[in-house]
Amino acid sequence: NAGVTQTPKFRILKIGQSMTLQCAQDMNHNYMYWYRQDPGMGLKLIYYSVGAGITDKGEVPNGYNVSRSTTEDFPLRLELAAPSQTSVYFCASRSQQGVGNQPQHFGDGTRLSIL
Amino acid sequence: GDSVTQMEGPVTLSEEAFLTINCTYTATGYPSLFWYVQYPGEGLQLLLKATKADDKGSNKGFEATYRKETTSFHLEKGSVQVSDSAVYFCALSDSSGSRLTFGEGTQLTVNP
Repeated sequence: NAGVTQTPKFRILKIGQSMTLQCAQDMNHNYMYWYRQDPGMGLKLIYYSVGAGITDKGEVPNGYNVSRSTTEDFPLRLELAAPSQTSVYFCASRSQQGVGNQPQHFGDGTRLSIL
Repeated sequence: GDSVTQMEGPVTLSEEAFLTINCTYTATGYPSLFWYVQYPGEGLQLLLKATKADDKGSNKGFEATYRKETTSFHLEKGSVQVSDSAVYFCALSDSSGSRLTFGEGTQLTVNP
């Protein structure tokens, strides 16, 4: 069972470039999330989705966009990369069963450097 | 809004020592509480959870009890191993159940 798969694992971008971080889950989870983790810090929520066609902003959405056209996929788009977006990005998913008591399942992360 | 406060790290212990990592929270309603562990170069993995007051979550020798009167969910293990070296995150779900709020994480290093 693959769980949550993130691609790529590593990427270096130049300032002003754009890219899409891919996230796919095979657990039929309705809820999906994007976080960023800066060195020595906890996770900050960027965007989340409670189902296909529905997305909402988290704590730090500026500079990012998302879409959710299918249950399985939740890509994160950086339009104009800035050095402040250098971070490790984690995607997660959760079953909708039970309000709040289901854990989130995380991918292994995408390490992004912007130079 | 909701918040989670963890004891500051890093924490360094010798093998077989007793571990406590403190976690307190502020939330409305009745959140579920979680401990996640992150090994180097990996994503977060659920370690244990508790969904109501006085519940005790346990896994791999780790335990934490949901204390509503002190708004705490401290992580404990009686005898740590080198393989327990990782970053530990305390987290709570919001009142709608759709989002998690994480603490800053506590780096644990266990020396042989």
